[in-house]
Amino acid sequence: EADIYQTPRYLVIGTGKKITLECSQTMGHDKMYWYQQDPGMELHLIHYSYGVNSTEKGDLSSESTVSRIRTEHFPLTLESARPSHTSQYLCASSPSYEQYFGPGTRLTVT
Amino acid sequence: RKEVEQDPGPFNVPEGATVAFNCTYSNSASQSFFWYRQDCRKEPKLLMSVYSSGNEDGRFTAQLNRASQYISLLIRDSKLSDSATYLCVVNIEGGSQGNLIFGKGTKLSVKP
Repeated sequence: EADIYQTPRYLVIGTGKKITLECSQTMGHDKMYWYQQDPGMELHLIHYSYGVNSTEKGDLSSESTVSRIRTEHFPLTLESARPSHTSQYLCASSPSYEQYFGPGTRLTVT
Repeated sequence: RKEVEQDPGPFNVPEGATVAFNCTYSNSASQSFFWYRQDCRKEPKLLMSVYSSGNEDGRFTAQLNRASQYISLLIRDSKLSDSATYLCVVNIEGGSQGNLIFGKGTKLSVKP
């Protein structure tokens, strides 16, 4: 099992607020990822990073941004939350090919 | 054609049954293959990697057919605790989607 942590686990916030979802891993994995998943639906990749100072957008258009200043930390920021951002956000890290997921943040924007 | 295709199910089986899931992938350059398990409202967890020679882990057997671009997962003597969604996952090294492509998943429900 990988050690990957996400905070907060649950967040309810009003429209227009800026939020940052935290993701940390202690395995020293270079690759990290953010996915969005609605209940019963498939995973959508929104951002990924191959290492410090490397960030790329995924296949899902998103108003979010990420940063990778330290290997272990990969936060996701929404500048202005909207009800359409209501979803589960999953962070993952990878030593090579397989990915290990954190427990997720369930976000509700009212 | 979707890059990774799975039968969405649901597969409703009795305890003790043997159940097989299939998955096809479209990119012949794919190099690594996995099955993940996802419980309701939880994160996906790696179940097993899939190798060309086939591999087995207890009641679970995974097979890969590169020529047909087809992956399978067999679960023998199914347990109630096997109820979950099983995701077929394919790696494409250097691909634009950050390496892994996840199928939509096949839902399994094991009944007493």
